[in-house]
Amino acid sequence: KAGVTQTPRYLIKTRGQQVTLSCSPISGHRSVSWYQQTPGQGLQFLFEYFSETQRNKGNFPGRFSGRQFSNSRSEMNVSTLELGDSALYLCASNEAGVPDTQYFGPGTRLTVL
Amino acid sequence: GEDVEQSLFLSVREGDSSVINCTYTDSSSTYLYWYKQEPGAGLQLLTYIFSNMDMKQDQRLTVLLNKKDKHLSLRIADTQTGDSAIYFCAETSTDKLIFGTGTRLQVFP
Repeated sequence: KAGVTQTPRYLIKTRGQQVTLSCSPISGHRSVSWYQQTPGQGLQFLFEYFSETQRNKGNFPGRFSGRQFSNSRSEMNVSTLELGDSALYLCASNEAGVPDTQYFGPGTRLTVL
Repeated sequence: GEDVEQSLFLSVREGDSSVINCTYTDSSSTYLYWYKQEPGAGLQLLTYIFSNMDMKQDQRLTVLLNKKDKHLSLRIADTQTGDSAIYFCAETSTDKLIFGTGTRLQVFP
């Protein structure tokens, strides 16, 4: 099976813009989770989607949102970008959600100038 | 709180064993994981241990779990230069993973 894929791999935006990141899970996986990784805060959970419904949300402002489509693909959107949003955004998938093992994609490196 | 702690750095000689330690917080965690991250890459699942186990061995990797002390360790036998990376432990907590701060393992010849 193909692994988790994320597009784009790299992105450069300026403050105030918005961005959409995409994640395609492993075939058959219905749960998709998003994490933010920064040098200062480490790896932090953003949200999890299962069968097109957000089941769990981390402690991030409302500028961070997401959705999941019927084919389990997920998108994450960040509006009104701030410098502090520069990070590696990782997507993970599994069949039914934590605690089952999550498999991670390569990430999208977002740089906000 | 949700602080999973790891030491920041570990330096070992090629061929020696490496031991990476982790202290987690949630005693109800069902699974505990070890992930590896190489520069510029995502997270690669290395191994995991179910909470009712004390030890799990998988080729060069040995995971030890002490539930009483909430301590998890990863031992890498015969460490190679290709093992140089950042290693994260993670606990499961209410439908998400809580990651440790990561331990940077440097292997020198």
